[in-house]
Amino acid sequence: ETGVTQSPTHLIKTRGQQVTLRCSSQSGHNTVSWYQQALGQGPQFIFQYYREEENGRGNFPPRFSGLQFPNYSSELNVNALLLGDSALYLCASSLEGRGAQYFGPGTRLLVL
Amino acid sequence: DAKTTQPTSMDCAEGRAANLPCNHSTISGNEYVYWYRQIHSQGPQYIIHGLKNNETNEMASLIITEDRKSSTLILPHATLRDTAVYYCIADLSGGSYIPTFGRGTSLIVHP
Repeated sequence: ETGVTQSPTHLIKTRGQQVTLRCSSQSGHNTVSWYQQALGQGPQFIFQYYREEENGRGNFPPRFSGLQFPNYSSELNVNALLLGDSALYLCASSLEGRGAQYFGPGTRLLVL
Repeated sequence: DAKTTQPTSMDCAEGRAANLPCNHSTISGNEYVYWYRQIHSQGPQYIIHGLKNNETNEMASLIITEDRKSSTLILPHATLRDTAVYYCIADLSGGSYIPTFGRGTSLIVHP
């Protein structure tokens, strides 16, 4: 059984740029959730994709967008990067939109 | 989703039981209680979840009060590797999905 993987592991961008983060869900899971975790804080829910449709969204602006593919892998896109977007971005997969979530190791994004 | 409150930090001696409390007084009847932990710089790890009954697995036990307003995660024999931030969240089994992690409890297990 393959766990959740994320790429890249680290990324440095400058303000105003755009970034795409990728996540492969655990085998058999059809749901992917994305979280942003600032230093010293708990993960903040960005949105969830279930069977390629957005299934819930946290308090994040539209420049945070996502996509889920037929194989249930997912992308998180962030446009017009701000310094405050610097954080650990976590992806978690689960089954049928509910239940235990299994997290990847995260992508650490630094915006300069 | 119901909000949860947890103590900011706790400590425990190695080999002793660690009892981590969580208050979820606004929980609704169909919301499960989930526990995760996050070891520094890693992704959170699922531990256990429950609805009404107490639950046990190879990692921990979960005790939920009869009124479901609070729960306790028990690590029966804490080891140094259990040092982590522990998060308790209440998650709807249906409807709008916005899980809230909060800041969790930083558990330090000392020798």
